[in-house]
Amino acid sequence: DADVTQTPRNRITKTGKRIMLECSQTKGHDRMYWYRQDPGLGLRLIYYSFDVKDINKGEISDGYSVSRQAQAKFSLSLESAIPNQTALYFCATSAATPAGISFQETQYFGPGTRLLVL
Amino acid sequence: LAKTTQPISMDSYEGQEVNITCSHNNIATNDYITWYQQFPSQGPRFIIQGYKTKVTNEVASLFIPADRKSSTLSLPRVSLSDTAVYYCLVGDIRNSGGYQKVTFGIGTKLQVIP
Repeated sequence: DADVTQTPRNRITKTGKRIMLECSQTKGHDRMYWYRQDPGLGLRLIYYSFDVKDINKGEISDGYSVSRQAQAKFSLSLESAIPNQTALYFCATSAATPAGISFQETQYFGPGTRLLVL
Repeated sequence: LAKTTQPISMDSYEGQEVNITCSHNNIATNDYITWYQQFPSQGPRFIIQGYKTKVTNEVASLFIPADRKSSTLSLPRVSLSDTAVYYCLVGDIRNSGGYQKVTFGIGTKLQVIP
């Protein structure tokens, strides 16, 4: 979805380096997410934020940190990159809509950042 | 944790209806069921979401039995462009405390054959 942008799209780095992946959205959503995808393992949640002051660890947060600089921006940092962090990283945003007893949440994903740690 | 189980892969001919079932035996009262589609090298795309019974939109239908321990995504008359990985997502999407347990799983790779 063009309303969710990720930079860089590709990155090669060395073990021990600190890197930051950035995500911006123009959809006006409060919720933002970071996932990683590895072959054969599906998508796994790293961190998520339901508003600017809300940061939560996901399934695999070790070795990562995040910053929610504004409603529209959510960055992911690898403080000291290691080879097993080589993966495809996706940022996503969503808005949640209560509807009576029902609820609707649709996530919109960015194009992904392909990271290679040597 | 409402772990999900889906078939790893499925094949279907063009024009057929495809049903993909997801098992989630440990689904909790506050959990919702969501399905996403993913093409290679792209982020997932929302298909459909539901809590119970049947939900239908312009793309698919979602059938959820009364016990909610499984759900079935139904794609009518598939075409080659429906070849993708389909993920079943189960969890409490209403608040940040509940969302931590939401997982995508490995997904089902659907191959549509001409």
